[in-house]
Amino acid sequence: SAVISQKPSRDICQRGTSLTIQCQVDSQVTMMFWYRQQPGQSLTLIATANQGSEATYESGFVIDKFPISRPNLTFSTLTVSNMSPEDSSIYLCSVPVSSYNEQFFGPGTRLTVL
Amino acid sequence: LAKTTQPISMDSYEGQEVNITCSHNNIATNDYITWYQQFPSQGPRFIIQGYKTKVTNEVASLFIPADRKSSTLSLPRVSLSDTAVYYCLVGDINQAGTALIFGKGTTLSVSS
Repeated sequence: SAVISQKPSRDICQRGTSLTIQCQVDSQVTMMFWYRQQPGQSLTLIATANQGSEATYESGFVIDKFPISRPNLTFSTLTVSNMSPEDSSIYLCSVPVSSYNEQFFGPGTRLTVL
Repeated sequence: LAKTTQPISMDSYEGQEVNITCSHNNIATNDYITWYQQFPSQGPRFIIQGYKTKVTNEVASLFIPADRKSSTLSLPRVSLSDTAVYYCLVGDINQAGTALIFGKGTTLSVSS
């Protein structure tokens, strides 16, 4: 397993602003993943963050809206830019444990956009 | 698109065994089957993973028939604390980024 912390745990933001979410892991990992979970919905993979290279985004997600940084093997940030109420979701980071199907998730960041 | 199909919801009583079946008709040769549990306001938690036949751990059992087109998560003697959403995923454990497509999940409600 891994110990993952996310900051902030929750935030309420105004539309048009940006929020940066931090994900810290207690061990070095090659890959980190960012997910979004909209209210009452399942999880959707936003992007895969690799240290030393650009993140790989899934269909429907673009770097201008969700820029990701991965400065080292234990840390990553996801920024939600120019927010609208539709961005209100829980944002989670995760890391693979023993295999890519077995992932350990952080506690999530609950974002509300007014 | 999710590669799996599960019942949207299930109800059970404390002490009963619960079996949640997942269909994955297009499972590939290298795909493994993985189940996650998610409580409200928490991230998903890995439960169990398997490739074929039966896998058992301290929490659950996973039954996979020979054709691997479905799988069944078995929770023995559920309690109220097992009320959660359960997700079935299939994917190649060696293909990063392609494995974690979450379907809609099954909401299990356990009553006393």
